[in-house]
Amino acid sequence: QVQLVQSGAEVKKPGASVKVSCKASGYTFTSYFMHWVRQAPGQGLEWMGVINPSGGSTSYAQKFQGRVTMTRDTSTSTAYMEVSSLRSEDTAFYYCARQKPSTTWEDYWGQGTLVTVSS
Amino acid sequence: DIQMTQSPSSLSASVGDRVTITCRASQSISSYLNWYQQKPGKAPTLLIYTASTLQSGVPSRFSGSGSGTDFTLTISSLQPEDFAIYFCQQTYRTPRSFGQGTKLEIK
Repeated sequence: QVQLVQSGAEVKKPGASVKVSCKASGYTFTSYFMHWVRQAPGQGLEWMGVINPSGGSTSYAQKFQGRVTMTRDTSTSTAYMEVSSLRSEDTAFYYCARQKPSTTWEDYWGQGTLVTVSS
Repeated sequence: DIQMTQSPSSLSASVGDRVTITCRASQSISSYLNWYQQKPGKAPTLLIYTASTLQSGVPSRFSGSGSGTDFTLTISSLQPEDFAIYFCQQTYRTPRSFGQGTKLEIK
C-alpha cells in the first residue's frame, strides 16, 4: 500500500536550517510529483512547492524562493525539503503529498513533521 | 495569486443533518477544485477532486459541485466521524492555494 513516512519532530533555533525527509513506498517514486505543504498550529494550509522526482526539477512558491530547497534521492525513494534561515513564523507541521502528473490533486499525504523554531 | 474563501469558517450541526460548505475563488478556476478533510492531529485526506468526483473509498454522502468561481461541498447526512475541518484547494494556477478551512462541530 502507498505510504509516505516523514522524519520526526525537530526543534531549531532562529537562523538555523532544517531538513525534513519523506520516504515513499508502495509505488514507483519517480512516477509521481511530490508537493510540500505546511500548516502553522491551528492555522490553514500553505503550499510551498513541488519536485518532480524523475528529473529533480522544482517549482517553489515565490514566498519561499531562496529559502527552501527540495531534493530527492531516487535510490531510497526519499524526498527532502530544507528550509534555511528559520524564524519563529516557520513553526509548523510540514507535509509531503504526492500527485500523479496526469491529475491535478494530491491523493496521499505524509503524516506530517512538526518543526518548532524557538530560541 | 488566486485567493480561496470558504464560508462559513465554523459550523455547528447534529448527526443526520445536511450541511453545505461554500468555497469561492478570486478568479475563474474552471473545475480545478479539490476538497480535503482533516481530523485533529492528522494529515488532510482527499475527499473530492475536480469539483465533483468522489475519491475512491469516500462515502457517497459527500458530494461536490460548482465550476468557475463558486463551489460547494455537501454532506447529505452527517455522521459522527464527519466532524472535522474541511479545506478547498485550487490547482488551476501555481501557487496552489487553499481556503482557510471550515470547522464542522457537533451541536
